[in-house]
Amino acid sequence: AQSVSQHNHHVILSEAASLELGCNYSYGGTVNLFWYVQYPGQHLQLLLKYFSGDPLVKGIKGFEAEFIKSKFSFNLRKPSVQWSDTAEYFCAVNNYGQNFVFGPGTRLSVLP
Amino acid sequence: EAGVVQSPRYKIIEKKQPVAFWCNPISGHNTLYWYLQNLGQGPELLIRYENEEAVDDSQLPKDRFSAERLKGVDSTLKIQPAELGDSAVYLCASREPGLANNEQFFGPGTRLTVL
Repeated sequence: AQSVSQHNHHVILSEAASLELGCNYSYGGTVNLFWYVQYPGQHLQLLLKYFSGDPLVKGIKGFEAEFIKSKFSFNLRKPSVQWSDTAEYFCAVNNYGQNFVFGPGTRLSVLP
Repeated sequence: EAGVVQSPRYKIIEKKQPVAFWCNPISGHNTLYWYLQNLGQGPELLIRYENEEAVDDSQLPKDRFSAERLKGVDSTLKIQPAELGDSAVYLCASREPGLANNEQFFGPGTRLTVL
């Protein structure tokens, strides 16, 4: 069965600091990878996704993620966070038409 | 374009009572998911529909949970009877046909509190 792990439960940063959230998955086949964000009081929204091609994908709001197949990783990055990035971030994997499996989430708190 | 609609947004019931949640997916999305999200955790799949067929209900606790999507559009998830441990957010998501568009769109969820 697929599983997704996220390295950090809660990350606290000051504004302008760089961000990297770890995500690892367990599945040997071809996968689609996603990062979703849930701002306080709002529903889950797609941040970015990887299907194929360039392993460095860019999403909304300056986020990017790099797919490293050999490491089964899909880490999320942002060079300079803002207070408005305070949210919960979820990594998810889908193996082409099958179900989505989500990680436990990482809560990001950005201090002004 | 309207997003995924869920109702109610909040529900408070006493244990052993029944409860139902409703979801209307984005128009044209034939795949519908129901998830359970506990506090501080990621969504966990309960059931997945392709049109009106439940193609994966292996994670649905069938002794108390049931779901239907009779016409392949909107869907209802029911719990009867509810237990204290069912307190969570119940999320609905939908996806349009075709593997090239594999993104899910989520509704706002129904927050259930069982007293």
